[in-house]
Amino acid sequence: EAGVVQSPRYKIIEKKQPVAFWCNPISGHNTLYWYLQNLGQGPELLIRYENEEAVDDSQLPKDRFSAERLKGVDSTLKIQPAELGDSAVYLCASSLRGRTGQETQYFGPGTRLLVL
Amino acid sequence: DQQVKQNSPSLSVQEGRISILNCDYTNSMFDYFLWYKKYPAEGPTFLISISSIKDKNEDGRFTVFLNKSAKHLSLHIVPSQPGDSAVYFCAATYTGNQFYFGTGTSLTVIP
Repeated sequence: EAGVVQSPRYKIIEKKQPVAFWCNPISGHNTLYWYLQNLGQGPELLIRYENEEAVDDSQLPKDRFSAERLKGVDSTLKIQPAELGDSAVYLCASSLRGRTGQETQYFGPGTRLLVL
Repeated sequence: DQQVKQNSPSLSVQEGRISILNCDYTNSMFDYFLWYKKYPAEGPTFLISISSIKDKNEDGRFTVFLNKSAKHLSLHIVPSQPGDSAVYFCAATYTGNQFYFGTGTSLTVIP
């Protein structure tokens, strides 16, 4: 079974430029997450989708970040304009609810963003 | 407010010995706990989990222990192998809520 796919793997842009990341979750996983991970830190939630609905976007900086999940499958995360402090790894994850009702997340490889 | 804490940023263990990674949490509503392993330039990989109704879950060389009264969980790796060298994250959640991650512990297994 294919895992969570993310692209690009690496991106270098100049500040004030836009950037977009793409994620394809594991087939059948209804819940999709975007995380930000800084060096030496754990993943921090940006947004969580249940199918095509964003159920938790409280930590998404909406002045410059946007996300969408068309048809409840693929998702894109956009930053416009990018700032130096946005340099980080952007992780996508999808989850499956088990028989006990509890979810296990599976992560993609991440996109490493460097803003110059 | 960090709800999940890993207070040891790094740990070195001799090959063949036991590795013990620790994690503390503050939210008593958490009912599901997970450990992830992360190699450089890769995303975290799910390793093992435990429900709050249990105090131990074992999968091969990996065992997770949960002490609810102390709000503490630990991951034991026995025997440790050089391929286990990675960063380990613990995570916690409760039904319908987001996942909270610790800051990670970098494990080095010395051959």
